[in-house]
Amino acid sequence: GAGVSQSPSNKVTEKGKDVELRCDPISGHTALYWYRQSLGQGLEFLIYFQGNSAPDKSGLPSDRFSAERTGGSVSTLTIQRTQQEDSAVYLCASNPRSGLGGYTFGSGTRLTVV
Amino acid sequence: RKEVEQDPGPFNVPEGATVAFNCTYSNSASQSFFWYRQDCRKEPKLLMSVYSSGNEDGRFTAQLNRASQYISLLIRDSKLSDSATYLCKVRTGANNLFFGTGTRLTVIP
Repeated sequence: GAGVSQSPSNKVTEKGKDVELRCDPISGHTALYWYRQSLGQGLEFLIYFQGNSAPDKSGLPSDRFSAERTGGSVSTLTIQRTQQEDSAVYLCASNPRSGLGGYTFGSGTRLTVV
Repeated sequence: RKEVEQDPGPFNVPEGATVAFNCTYSNSASQSFFWYRQDCRKEPKLLMSVYSSGNEDGRFTAQLNRASQYISLLIRDSKLSDSATYLCKVRTGANNLFFGTGTRLTVIP
């Protein structure tokens, strides 16, 4: 697509439920990144994909978080048993190739755990 | 010590003023540098890359000082529409990219 598309744009979920966030990167971009940003805070790196593989999962906050990417395109970030501290904006970005140039970010998914 | 540090501000400047922000980085092997702009409740957008020789894009000038390990962003003739948070990003290795926490700029009429 023309830009990075994320869905849903907003998600309100009850504590303890699982949520799945989707990112559709720019067509042909092989590198894909997930970040989260809490209110008034900086960008927290979560995970990075080069193609379908994730060389760096170091930012995932706990084992409740997982991500996958299939077909070198769409990625899903899954949060199991959500907690209130998971509330944040989850941003996805893509790049033609890892480490080169700037990112294009999607508009994010605003997750609220109540 | 954080990989990348920025003064959070806020910087409140009058329209037409010149303002500059710095972003310091801790790893001398850092290779690529970028400035992003983030409007309130929006995603960050790439503003400009920072080249070794410095580069300019209209009213915006980016510079790199490797000796002192910082990059800078200078905005001339500030407009109200420049009000945003400015984030720096530094690449240290193929997979090591770090964002600063951002500097908030408010341009006042």
